[in-house]
Amino acid sequence: AQSVAQPEDQVNVAEGNPLTVKCTYSVSGNPYLFWYVQYPNRGLQFLLKYITGDNLVKGSYGFEAEFNKSQTSFHLKKPSALVSDSALYFCAVRDIGTGGFKTIFGAGTRLFVKA
Amino acid sequence: DAGVIQSPRHEVTEMGQEVTLRCKPISGHDYLFWYRQTMMRGLELLIYFNNNVPIDDSGMPEDRFSAKMPNASFSTLKIQPSEPRDSAVYFCASSFRVGVGLSNQPQHFGDGTRLSIL
Repeated sequence: AQSVAQPEDQVNVAEGNPLTVKCTYSVSGNPYLFWYVQYPNRGLQFLLKYITGDNLVKGSYGFEAEFNKSQTSFHLKKPSALVSDSALYFCAVRDIGTGGFKTIFGAGTRLFVKA
Repeated sequence: DAGVIQSPRHEVTEMGQEVTLRCKPISGHDYLFWYRQTMMRGLELLIYFNNNVPIDDSGMPEDRFSAKMPNASFSTLKIQPSEPRDSAVYFCASSFRVGVGLSNQPQHFGDGTRLSIL
């Protein structure tokens, strides 16, 4: 069975500092991995995905994520946080082996960036 | 290009009433998903369709919930009768498959319907 864990309910960081939002996953086969962001009263917006190839994936708004197969992790990172990055972030996993689109989302991590 | 469109954005109704939520996916997308988001349970997949056919409805909580997709551009999620515990934000999302066996595209979400059952 697929599962996703986001161990931190909340991450606080000062503007200009680097940020990391953690994600670990479990699938029986190989994963497709995704990060989404949700702003208040809006739907989830796609940030980036890992499909195959380079373990460092770059996405929207300066975000990137590193796929680590041995640690089954897919942490979201940004070198310099902005106040406008404050939002709810979701990690998601899809099992390639199933061939389907069923996606499991983590519980979400709220990011607060302080000016 | 228009995104996923959901209506209404807000719905307040009394317990026992029928509620119908509507979704128009992005044109050309052949997958449609219904999710429910609550503080307690997070984001739950209720059901998803491929080419208007339900593929997985294992997340539908009870027989009070039903979903239909009569054509490629429209889907409904119906709750009858509604109960206070159904209060949540309901999201519709759509996606597409780029090739045989490839399910690597992200989902595009609407802005949700905030449902309150009194």
